[in-house]
Amino acid sequence: DVKVTQSSRYLVKRTGEKVFLECVQDMDHENMFWYRQDPGLGLRLIYFSYDVKMKEKGDIPEGYSVSREKKERFSLILESASTNQTSMYLCASSSPRLAGFSYEQYFGPGTRLTVT
Amino acid sequence: QKEVEQNSGPLSVPEGAIASLNCTYSDRGSQSFFWYRQYSGKSPELIMFIYSNGDKEDGRFTAQLNKASQYVSLLIRDSQPSDSATYLCAIAPANNLFFGTGTRLTVIP
Repeated sequence: DVKVTQSSRYLVKRTGEKVFLECVQDMDHENMFWYRQDPGLGLRLIYFSYDVKMKEKGDIPEGYSVSREKKERFSLILESASTNQTSMYLCASSSPRLAGFSYEQYFGPGTRLTVT
Repeated sequence: QKEVEQNSGPLSVPEGAIASLNCTYSDRGSQSFFWYRQYSGKSPELIMFIYSNGDKEDGRFTAQLNKASQYVSLLIRDSQPSDSATYLCAIAPANNLFFGTGTRLTVIP
């Protein structure tokens, strides 16, 4: 059974705090992704990684950084949390594209972060 | 720009009816197409994927793909109240997915 876990379901942090969101997958997937989801805006890609120690910016990387020291773990870091980073954060993983077709992404349960 | 357009809804259908969800996309290079279901407060879960033109059936769900017209649709037969959720369409021109904003479906008992 595929499994993507995230460290917290709900998190409340203060403005200016450094926030760590952890994601772990047990499917031996190469690709991992961080999204945020806001009403009316859909899923927006923050960062992704195709391999250990590799990272690429998505559509909205400002204010975020990531770390991938091990294949199964992908961390999202909010360097200095701000109220506009209040959102649902979703981690996903997938296998790399083969033979012209992409494989589906599996999502973790999400972390609802509130920054006050 | 890899745009994925969905009607945000809400789409309301009576229980037992067929729900039809549509999605258009702009990137002709897309080869893989996915439908996700997302219940309120939960994360998206994969329902179906389709790579080839035509229909693909899985239980009560049928995905339809027309690459020439750049649309993909999802039909839900015998709709149940438990199908009430937001349905996200996603395209994959490469390793990343590009999502639409979703269509909210309500099945009325």
